Amino acid sequence: GAVVSQHPSRVICKSGTSVKIECRSLDFQATTMFWYRQFPKQSLMLMATSNEGSKATYEQGVEKDKFLINHASLTLSTLTVTSAHPEDSSFYICSAIGGVKEKLFFGSGTQLSVL
Amino acid sequence: ELKVEQNPLFLSMQEGKNYTIYCNYSTTSDRLYWYRQDPGKSLESLFVLLSNGAVKQEGRLMASLDTKARLSTLHITAAVHDLSATYFCAFGYALNFGKGTSLLVTP
Repeated sequence: GAVVSQHPSRVICKSGTSVKIECRSLDFQATTMFWYRQFPKQSLMLMATSNEGSKATYEQGVEKDKFLINHASLTLSTLTVTSAHPEDSSFYICSAIGGVKEKLFFGSGTQLSVL
Repeated sequence: ELKVEQNPLFLSMQEGKNYTIYCNYSTTSDRLYWYRQDPGKSLESLFVLLSNGAVKQEGRLMASLDTKARLSTLHITAAVHDLSATYFCAFGYALNFGKGTSLLVTP
């Protein structure tokens, strides 16, 4: 079945640094990818929709300069958390639409901890 | 405004018992999803329901969809400990998620 690979699975960084998270569709072309964040014991919140070759569409309240999304190819989207602060600590999950039936597949998630 | 209301949010049930999780959504949608999430893990797809009256079953879980009532249910039959997890319903193209139902199955 289709696989979405997300790296890294866990990252710990100092406040003020930038962190890049990669989301790859391994065996299908993903024209659209989504980025979510999830706080402990809460639901997933859609951050942005990423379309290959165009600018990402951000949800209301999500800072586009803070969370940079690049979807440079049909198999890769990246989320960069710039100048990370402790409040950015969260579980980030990507998903991708693809395959013959346009199904949605999720990455394994990235736990970001900002010290 | 897109809303998904899931209930209950917390559920503790004994092994062998049956229970139903409800998911109400606020607008028309051509698909409704159910996912399972274990602690610290990503989402595992359980069901995709695509039409009114759709019913799907996998093991001890059965999902149904009533698009007229904007309601989906996830029924658990004869629960076992391995079903302990958080269950989310979601609808729409970009997935609007419910708050999740944290299920604990006890002996």
